[in-house]
Amino acid sequence: QVQLQESGPGLVKPSQTLSLTCAVSGDSISSGGYYWSWIRQRPGKGLEWIGYIYHSGSAYYNPSLKSLVTISIDTSKNQFSLKLNSVTAADTAVYYCVRYGDYVGFDYWGRGTLVTVSS
Amino acid sequence: QSALTQPASVSGSPGQSINISCTGTSSDIDGYNYVSWYQQHPGKAPTLLIHDVSNRPSGLSNRFSGSKSGNTASLTISGLQAEDEAYYYCSSYTPSTTPLFGGGTKLTVL
Repeated sequence: QVQLQESGPGLVKPSQTLSLTCAVSGDSISSGGYYWSWIRQRPGKGLEWIGYIYHSGSAYYNPSLKSLVTISIDTSKNQFSLKLNSVTAADTAVYYCVRYGDYVGFDYWGRGTLVTVSS
Repeated sequence: QSALTQPASVSGSPGQSINISCTGTSSDIDGYNYVSWYQQHPGKAPTLLIHDVSNRPSGLSNRFSGSKSGNTASLTISGLQAEDEAYYYCSSYTPSTTPLFGGGTKLTVL
């Protein structure tokens, strides 16, 4: 069974960088076939795709966040990471790491981690 | 990129069937068969219900079904049960390789 687990600080100060890591078990991210994604959900709002990365390191981002986001992958640790720069209160959200496949959609989700941006 | 359009809320009584629509454009829903649907209970992570317009993951109840006509996809839930009360989101592939989500629909079981 594929499992994803987010980790990182739950509180980030405005203008700083939000950093999260997703540990994957039950699947090898280097095997290919899937994109490893970050999705967020602001309080009381819908789902917002942030971006995803392939095992090769090719990353794709939401155009509205592209200038602030970096997603990286560490195949040796079977994990991938998110960095969001210059955060504001509007970046307060539950952040999910998710596996995505063209033929299966977003099929495995982490439990999500709440990140609050506040001084 | 605009989000896909879903009704904010739908409701139905136990045992009934309901439909949730998801409207896009010729550049997403109408152009590809990569529409998926997700269910989210409050405080929980979303779970995959339907992928590739009408395919259910292994083990998922056949009360959930999906379809597409033109630029509108639909999720049908038959034999409504109390535990179906949740939020539902649609998603579609786009040619820019960036997935789109709908705004979400709250299903109330009366």
